[in-house]
Amino acid sequence: GIQVEQSPPDLILQEGANSTLRCNFSDSVNNLQWFHQNPWGQLINLFYIPSGTKQNGRLSATTVATERYSLLYISSSQTTDSGVYFCAVEETSGSRLTFGEGTQLTVNP
Amino acid sequence: ETGVTQTPRHLVMGMTNKKSLKCEQHLGHNAMYWYKQSAKKPLELMFVYSLEERVENNSVPSRFSPECPNSSHLFLHLHTLQPEDSALYLCASSQETGYGYTFGSGTRLTVV
Repeated sequence: GIQVEQSPPDLILQEGANSTLRCNFSDSVNNLQWFHQNPWGQLINLFYIPSGTKQNGRLSATTVATERYSLLYISSSQTTDSGVYFCAVEETSGSRLTFGEGTQLTVNP
Repeated sequence: ETGVTQTPRHLVMGMTNKKSLKCEQHLGHNAMYWYKQSAKKPLELMFVYSLEERVENNSVPSRFSPECPNSSHLFLHLHTLQPEDSALYLCASSQETGYGYTFGSGTRLTVV
């Protein structure tokens, strides 16, 4: 099956700093999504981004499908950004998502 | 609330018990999923239902038994579980195409 690799596995920032999270995938995909899991376990969809660039407030994401990677940018980080960020891809063969192992982000005040 | 509701939020059960997890979605989606999230592991897809038919069963032990009576409800029936089954169980729903993937808050299961 498709492989999804995220980096870095852990990231610690001071409030106000910027960061870039990366997701590499091993095969062509129909769809790529970024999720944020808060400390209580809730997974929130951040972006549905099979290709191109999208922005939502302080967050933006870029997927370069031909090179099989996606980047999530967090600017002016806040403590509420803490949690695990997952990249998930949908293989061309169906609607199931395969998740990466996530990036654990900690933003300190 | 995301539109996908899971109950209970927490569950402690013995290895000989039988319990059920419930998931309900109010988003008009026609695909529903069960995922397992163990500590230090990525989310593992367990079951996929599309248009109320099970389309995927990822080698999940038979002590986990899913049920999808209609497109809005999904259950996971549990019996004779093992301590290593302790995990966060997440339900999700989406359009059949995979668009609009939405997760519930999960059930944190502890098997003692």
